[in-house]
Amino acid sequence: QSALTQPASVSGSPGQSITISCTGTSSDVGAYNYVSWYQQHPGKAPKLMIYDVNNRPSGISNRFSGSKSGNTASLTISGLRAEDEADYYCSSYTTTNTLGVLFGGGTKLTVL
Amino acid sequence: EVHLVQSGAEVTKPGESLKISCKGSGYDFDSYWIGWVRQMPGKGLEWMGVIYPRDSDTRYSPSFQGQVIISVDIPISTAYLQWNSLTASDTAIYYCARYPSMVRGVMADYWGQGTLVTVSS
Repeated sequence: QSALTQPASVSGSPGQSITISCTGTSSDVGAYNYVSWYQQHPGKAPKLMIYDVNNRPSGISNRFSGSKSGNTASLTISGLRAEDEADYYCSSYTTTNTLGVLFGGGTKLTVL
Repeated sequence: EVHLVQSGAEVTKPGESLKISCKGSGYDFDSYWIGWVRQMPGKGLEWMGVIYPRDSDTRYSPSFQGQVIISVDIPISTAYLQWNSLTASDTAIYYCARYPSMVRGVMADYWGQGTLVTVSS
């Protein structure tokens, strides 16, 4: 199973908006609305930011939003803040080879 | 409050066996899937597999099938990740995570703090 495809890095200035893409196939991202996004700061465990493509868990800022079109999902962060600098991973349910989960390769977000 | 607490860091030698743990609290342990995720040094997250405690239904990523064993002990609300023969390439941080479902809303909503496994001769 191949990982979902994410850009290695993105950057933006405080207050700006950025979007991170996550490309899969018709057996994972394209087939199910079970895409989630995780934020990971250095030395910390991942944290759920978005689930089911565009839903935020309780306590997550509405500056974070998700969407999907075809085999590509996206995470948008608006009003960038210094504390948003982290690694971001997408994840999708998959039915390729097993009924399980795939992660993206991760995207390093730098707030300039 | 939901917590997943993992066992401490391990330093082992190639060829040795190892079992690390993840203890859940603050929720009905047997009603939620527990998954394991590997993060090799400086690398991304890799999904290893998941288990449903109530019936021990277990699913492995093809990359990890036959390489590790995932199990649970319901009375002590603990999930395990086990190796029978470690290699240097198993050096990584291993996270456990709670999955409310594996048929809809597939997301890891709570995570353990991670267990660093170092395999070195």
